[in-house]
Amino acid sequence: NAGVTQTPKFQVLKTGQSMTLQCAQDMNHEYMSWYRQDPGMGLRLIHYSVGAGITDQGEVPNGYNVSRSTTEDFPLRLLSAAPSQTSVYFCASSYSTGSRGYGYTFGSGTRLTVV
Amino acid sequence: AQSVSQHNHHVILSEAASLELGCNYSYGGTVNLFWYVQYPGQHLQLLLKYFSGDPLVKGIKGFEAEFIKSKFSFNLRKPSVQWSDTAEYFCAVIPRAGGGNKLTFGTGTQLKVEL
Repeated sequence: NAGVTQTPKFQVLKTGQSMTLQCAQDMNHEYMSWYRQDPGMGLRLIHYSVGAGITDQGEVPNGYNVSRSTTEDFPLRLLSAAPSQTSVYFCASSYSTGSRGYGYTFGSGTRLTVV
Repeated sequence: AQSVSQHNHHVILSEAASLELGCNYSYGGTVNLFWYVQYPGQHLQLLLKYFSGDPLVKGIKGFEAEFIKSKFSFNLRKPSVQWSDTAEYFCAVIPRAGGGNKLTFGTGTQLKVEL
């Protein structure tokens, strides 16, 4: 099925550990992005990419790294996990056209707990 | 930068009641506007979006939203809610030009529909 695939679905980390959240899309979308969702704060943009090899920071980038070596993949790396990074993480793939504007597809999320 | 305000954080309705959720955005230019729904434990699903043209947009599951440019608003409505509409609702905005793939969300509205 076409869409955005995120792995893992659940993860528990100890403070200071590092890990990579995987995101892959098979729709050949140009744009990809990572959001974190926290109660009462909606979804906040962490990092985004407008194409392979091009990434930029969003609203809350500290403590996270990204790279985009292919159109399909956009992994999110936690360098040294902290309890403040306990959250639900969503990856999104999107396109933009002159006739339809923007369209977004979201992954099913990764629930991360840092203890 | 753009921002989104959702004034109702928690709404409780009885089945068959009418629903209106407020959404205001701040941005000086032309925008794409979205409403997403998140059912408990699930990822975001698109309810409807506005790109251009008719400011009254109809979406899935009987939802509609009206774009009022002069008020910078994009309120979500449903004439008669069902218990299955219990979910969290997010309004989001991205500039039509130069959006840079930076979709900005409001903080969300938790809707509970009681039988």
